[in-house]
This record gives sequence, structure tokens and C-alpha cells, in this order.
Amino acid sequence: SQQGEEDPQALSIQEGENATMNCSYKTSINNLQWYRQNSGRGLVHLILIRSNEREKHSGRLRVTLDTSKKSSSLLITASRAADTASYFCATDARVRFGAGTRLTVKP
Amino acid sequence: ETGVTQSPTHLIKTRGQQVTLRCSSQSGHNTVSWYQQALGQGPQFIFQYYREEENGRGNFPPRFSGLQFPNYSSELNVNALELDDSALYLCASSLGIPGQGMDYGYTFGSGTRLTVV
Repeated sequence: SQQGEEDPQALSIQEGENATMNCSYKTSINNLQWYRQNSGRGLVHLILIRSNEREKHSGRLRVTLDTSKKSSSLLITASRAADTASYFCATDARVRFGAGTRLTVKP
Repeated sequence: ETGVTQSPTHLIKTRGQQVTLRCSSQSGHNTVSWYQQALGQGPQFIFQYYREEENGRGNFPPRFSGLQFPNYSSELNVNALELDDSALYLCASSLGIPGQGMDYGYTFGSGTRLTVV
């Protein structure tokens, strides 16, 4: 399966803290992507990291990729209440999703 | 540049009926994928179309079928609706050749909320 599996299932933090969520996958990949979904809405593409990259930044987002461990992490720094959402990772061209990490940022 | 548009946004159908959901891809995108998302779950892959041909299918029965048109818009048809078909249906488009390491993310529509009663 090329499905990504996110961990933890749920995460609750205070505004201003950092949030880290992880993704594991099972097969070789060309790239890994992270998405955000606000309640009941479509997914929004956040960042894509290629298999030959180890780290990538976009604003308050930092993504790492370890292809030897088949894992990735998404770090959101200085979190805001507006970051409250579900976060998903997906791999490969067909983009399969796991159950996601539900992040709650308390004001 | 327009995004992905799905219609309708909400729909209520009776068990046994048929439904057609529509998706207008982002301009220039040639690949479209459909997902079913039950409440509290991640999106489940239904199928993908690339240049009007089906390019992969998830674990869904044949009563789930689709089409992609020459302008790359798409339809999802579901026959003989069941109560468990109640879900958010998401369409996503992208640019690339599936299986050849697409380097682009997917653009999702806001979804169609289907309720089967």
C-alpha cells in the first residue's frame, strides 16, 4: 500500500506552542505531500517534499523526510487557533490518505 | 486561475436511487481523482482518471462509476444507493502523468455532502 499513516491520531496544544505530527509509509516513493482539512471542507495542499530532499520549509511549516525509515514529520511552529484542523500525508501519484492527525490549538 | 468546483454542495437521496456528482478541474489539470470521506475518517480513494481513461481504482463496488470528459471535467455516478454511501465526496485534480513521479500536489474541491435516507 502507498497509503500514509499519520501519528498521533489527535493532538491538543496551546496557542504559541509547536505541533509535530508524523507519517509512516510502506513503499518507495517519489514524493510525499502534506494536506490540511478544516472541518467538513476539502483538503488544502500544504507542502511537497521529494524523495531526494531531507527537509523543506514553508512559512511556519517544516517537513522532514527519512526514506530509510519510510517516515516524515510535519512541524508547525508558533501555532495559532486557525491551525486547528486535520492533517494528512499522502505519497506517490495516486495520493492515498490515512486517518489523519486531528490538531486542536487552544487560544 | 480557477480552482476545483464541485456540484452540488449538498444532496439528499433515497436508498436505491442513483446520483451523479460533478467536478470541474482546475484549468490545465489533466488528472482527476475521487474520494469518499465518512465522518471522522480519512478520504478513501475511489478512482482516478487521466486523459479520459480510468487509471486506478480503490476498493469500491462497480456501482461506483465515473467519467472524465475532453475538457477534463469529471462525473462520479453511484447506482443503487445504500445508507453507508452517506459521506463527503471529494474531487481532486492535478497535472502530471500518473506513475511517473508527479511533482505536483492535488487541488481539492470543497466536496459534495451526500446523505442517503
